[in-house]
Amino acid sequence: ETGVTQSPTHLIKTRGQQVTLRCSSQSGHNTVSWYQQALGQGPQFIFQYYREEENGRGNFPPRFSGLQFPNYSSELNVNALELDDSALYLCASSSRDSEELFFGEGSRLTVL
Amino acid sequence: RKEVEQDPGPFNVPEGATVAFNCTYSNSASQSFFWYRQDCRKEPKLLMSVYSSGNEDGRFTAQLNRASQYISLLIRDSKLSDSATYLCVVNMYGRWPPDMRFGAGTRLTVKP
Repeated sequence: ETGVTQSPTHLIKTRGQQVTLRCSSQSGHNTVSWYQQALGQGPQFIFQYYREEENGRGNFPPRFSGLQFPNYSSELNVNALELDDSALYLCASSSRDSEELFFGEGSRLTVL
Repeated sequence: RKEVEQDPGPFNVPEGATVAFNCTYSNSASQSFFWYRQDCRKEPKLLMSVYSSGNEDGRFTAQLNRASQYISLLIRDSKLSDSATYLCVVNMYGRWPPDMRFGAGTRLTVKP
């Protein structure tokens, strides 16, 4: 069974740029949730995708957007990057059989 | 009021100590509760689910008080390997797919 994988693992961008982060969900999981984790903080819910549609959104501006593909993999896009966007971005997948979230190792974004 | 609030910590305890973490949640409609463990610079992983009757898994005991909207995690006979950040997680709206919200985490360091 393949776990959740995220790419890239690390990246550096400058203010104003755009970034796309990718996530492959665990086999059999149809729900993907994205979280932002700043240093020393808990993960903050960005949004969730279920069957290719956004199924809930946290308190993040519209410049944070996403997609889910038919194979349930997902992308997180962030436009007009700001310094405060520097964080670990975590993707988690889950299945209908369980509420357990299975996380990828995250993408660590640094905005300079 | 934050959706999920935890003791900020950090907790520094000697091996063999008993330590308890507290968590409160804002939405009385929440139905499911969890504790996740996050090692330094790693992804969160499920430690245990919290059932209404309370549950125990070896040295770990989780309890729920719905009237007070309060969750706790007790660790007995602490081990060095218990050093980590413990995240309180709540399925906020009791719906499917679950909308999981995290507390800021409580850092535990167990010392020899």
